[in-house]
Amino acid sequence: GENVEQHPSTLSVQEGDSAVIKCTYSDSASNYFPWYKQELGKRPQLIIDIRSNVGEKKDQRIAVTLNKTAKHFSLHITETQPEDSAVYFCAASRGSQGNLIFGKGTKLSVKP
Amino acid sequence: EAGVAQSPRYKIIEKRQSVAFWCNPISGHATLYWYQQILGQGPKLLIQFQNNGVVDDSQLPKDRFSAERLKGVDSTLKIQPAKLEDSAVYLCASSSLQGNSPLHFGNGTRLTVT
Repeated sequence: GENVEQHPSTLSVQEGDSAVIKCTYSDSASNYFPWYKQELGKRPQLIIDIRSNVGEKKDQRIAVTLNKTAKHFSLHITETQPEDSAVYFCAASRGSQGNLIFGKGTKLSVKP
Repeated sequence: EAGVAQSPRYKIIEKRQSVAFWCNPISGHATLYWYQQILGQGPKLLIQFQNNGVVDDSQLPKDRFSAERLKGVDSTLKIQPAKLEDSAVYLCASSSLQGNSPLHFGNGTRLTVT
């Protein structure tokens, strides 16, 4: 069945450094790729998303890149801050109109 | 706009008991999802509704889980009987479109089965 792999499972960076989280997906028909941030005990919240007709999207310190040929996409956070510490989930649509399949998450720790 | 409302926030039950969770989506959102999030994992879809119809329930353990959205607005998810492995956070989410649109999650119900 469809699958989304996410790496690394944990990531520790120093404040001000960059963080990169990578995901691969198996369904070549997937065309929507959101990223969610989940703080401890809280709901997942959308931070950025990208569609298959776009290769890169940026929103302030956050950017996402998509390589449809290789079926992988990445989240880039620059100038990390302690409040960026959370679990980040990538997701891919099931087919072109389907619901989302989530990765297992990356726990990001930003040390001051 | 008001977010997705879920209740209860926490629930502790013994195995073989039954439990029900309630969700009210964002006003106007036709698509409603129930996800199960086991500790340390990503959300896993249980069921997707479009208005009051089921779009995808392929991963719902139908021998013990059931869900309904009778009037196309709020929804209930039931587990009967519960097993230890059902301990998880049950997240409800809604979206304005059926696919390829952002999900808005509720705060979830944390279920502990002892």
